[in-house]
Amino acid sequence: SQELEQSPQSLIVQEGKNLTINCTSSKTLYGLYWYKQKYGEGLIFLMMLQKGGEEKSHEKITAKLDEKKQQSSLHITASQPSHAGIYLCGADWREGNKLVFGAGTILRVKS
Amino acid sequence: DSGVTQTPKHLITATGQRVTLRCSPRSGDLSVYWYQQSLDQGLQFLIQYYNGEERAKGNILERFSAQQFPDLHSELNLSSLELGDSALYFCASSVSGHSGNTIYFGEGSWLTVV
Repeated sequence: SQELEQSPQSLIVQEGKNLTINCTSSKTLYGLYWYKQKYGEGLIFLMMLQKGGEEKSHEKITAKLDEKKQQSSLHITASQPSHAGIYLCGADWREGNKLVFGAGTILRVKS
Repeated sequence: DSGVTQTPKHLITATGQRVTLRCSPRSGDLSVYWYQQSLDQGLQFLIQYYNGEERAKGNILERFSAQQFPDLHSELNLSSLELGDSALYFCASSVSGHSGNTIYFGEGSWLTVV
């Protein structure tokens, strides 16, 4: 959806480096979900953010939702090959109880 | 393992045929969602059911239909299949279907139309 944009489209990082993926919404987010997908496989739930300024962490992955609730970032610290995959953000705009997804960010980690 | 079970995992069928994809939601989840993922369109919402009733509809073609049964499992029926219907079809579930509930996805069903 052009109303939900992810950047960058793809990313190649050296193992051990930090990286950030952004998700920008044209509308107020009532919920922002982050998922990880290996190509051709299911989506693995990472985190859900709902409140402006909220930040959540799981292992080396941290996600934040800005105060205006229109942008989220996903930050990976000290990347590892296991972090490689496609990261998808999903927006809950309270429109019909569905999530609208961004195009995804393909992450490759070089060891 | 998300707890959402989809069958079959892979399916190859010819144009014009009809297939049924099946989904069992996580234990306790009342809401089921269907999504289609393709290279050109990305992940697209098709339809949502809550406790047996249709709750929301996305860009679902008229050739496609779905239902949720009393035991809460769901089926997505795809008919008059075209080459462009080849995609990964996901089922997802959540507790209530209301905003703020975590939505868990299954492993998907790969459909190839030849």
